[in-house]
Amino acid sequence: NAGVMQNPRHLVRRRGQEARLRCSPMKGHSHVYWYRQLPEEGLKFMVYLQKENIIDESGMPKERFSAEFPKEGPSILRIQQVVRGDSAAYFCASSPRRRGTEGYTFGSGTRLTVV
Amino acid sequence: EDKVVQSPLSLVVHEGDTVTLNCSYEVTNFRSLLWYKQEKKAPTFLFMLTSSGIEKKSGRLSSILDKKELSSILNITATQTGDSAIYLCAVEAEDRGSTLGRLYFGRGTQLTVWP
Repeated sequence: NAGVMQNPRHLVRRRGQEARLRCSPMKGHSHVYWYRQLPEEGLKFMVYLQKENIIDESGMPKERFSAEFPKEGPSILRIQQVVRGDSAAYFCASSPRRRGTEGYTFGSGTRLTVV
Repeated sequence: EDKVVQSPLSLVVHEGDTVTLNCSYEVTNFRSLLWYKQEKKAPTFLFMLTSSGIEKKSGRLSSILDKKELSSILNITATQTGDSAIYLCAVEAEDRGSTLGRLYFGRGTQLTVWP
């Protein structure tokens, strides 16, 4: 059981470029969550997805950010025209449809640096 | 705005000491409170608490929830250097129309255990 896999682990982008972050949930998990951790801050919820559905995107910035979880393949968090303020660690978590007492399983994160 | 506050933000102890980490919350539609341990990788799940007054234990770690005081504590007895990490408290809220909720995180407590 490989756990939640995120890639890349580190990503450097110049201002104005696009960043694509990938998340493969644990086997058997159908729910994916994206969180952002800015320096000196806690993790902040961004978006909650199920396969082919965005359930809650209330934490996503209104512009430049989008997320998808297609029927096949990983979930993608896309940031267009990145700015320095987008530099952060982006974590993905997954859970099964019926979550027991095991909480959410997190990936190791993608550290995005915008230069 | 919903919020989760952890204290202290930082704690330095010697091996063998006992520590108590605090978490208070103001979250509407509370569902559960979760504790995670974050080293230089994925946050790893420790406990999920839903009922007030029932202690959860795992080895030297234990935690309890007080829903009247809107708080939780995480205790670590006989600390070891391997306990050095950031301990995250998160509160899960009900998500409209969905069986699973989003997590609201505190900033974490950085615990350092000296040999």
